[in-house]
Amino acid sequence: GAGVSQSPSNKVTEKGKDVELRCDPISGHTALYWYRQSLGQGLEFLIYFQGNSAPDKSGLPSDRFSAERTGGSVSTLTIQRTQQEDSAVYLCASSYQAGGPQETQYFGPGTRLLVL
Amino acid sequence: SQKIEQNSEALNIQEGKTATLTCNYTNYSPAYLQWYRQDPGRGPVFLLLIRENEKEKRKERLKVTFDTTLKQSLFHITASQPADSATYLCGFGNEKLTFGTGTRLTIIP
Repeated sequence: GAGVSQSPSNKVTEKGKDVELRCDPISGHTALYWYRQSLGQGLEFLIYFQGNSAPDKSGLPSDRFSAERTGGSVSTLTIQRTQQEDSAVYLCASSYQAGGPQETQYFGPGTRLLVL
Repeated sequence: SQKIEQNSEALNIQEGKTATLTCNYTNYSPAYLQWYRQDPGRGPVFLLLIRENEKEKRKERLKVTFDTTLKQSLFHITASQPADSATYLCGFGNEKLTFGTGTRLTIIP
């Protein structure tokens, strides 16, 4: 079956522009997560959604970052007024439900963002 | 704050030998640890999960140990093959996974 898909796969933008990154989770998965992976850094949690509950935004690095999930499926991560330090690979993951050892997270291929 | 460290940034192992990767954590007592594999240009892929009450877990040529006293997990690949070359990540958490920076493993033919 189809895995987690993300688009675009690569994005080059100029400093100060806004960008939108999209994630399509695995069908039937109610939990969706966003992570960021910078060069030399580990995967950094950003935000997660579980069903219709309010998202956990505790990992968002600044108020320039926001995410929404429409219809409990597709999610969009928006970065406003991009900065060069936002350059990273943004990874999306989904799981059947959130939390617990039985809930393996399945990752997409990521969007490579470069801010010039 | 919770911290997880993978001791080696890169590890080169001769084909056929056992590769051992280390993961240490501080300021946290995870109920379980997870290991993922990440290939270049791809997202991480789940490999194994070990719970705090399990000393060892195996899956084919993979073995994970979990020592809550040492706050350490070891990840072993026996009879290593060039196809095992990848970056391996350890992580813990429930919904919000905290990962180490990974160990880039190269199996030399």
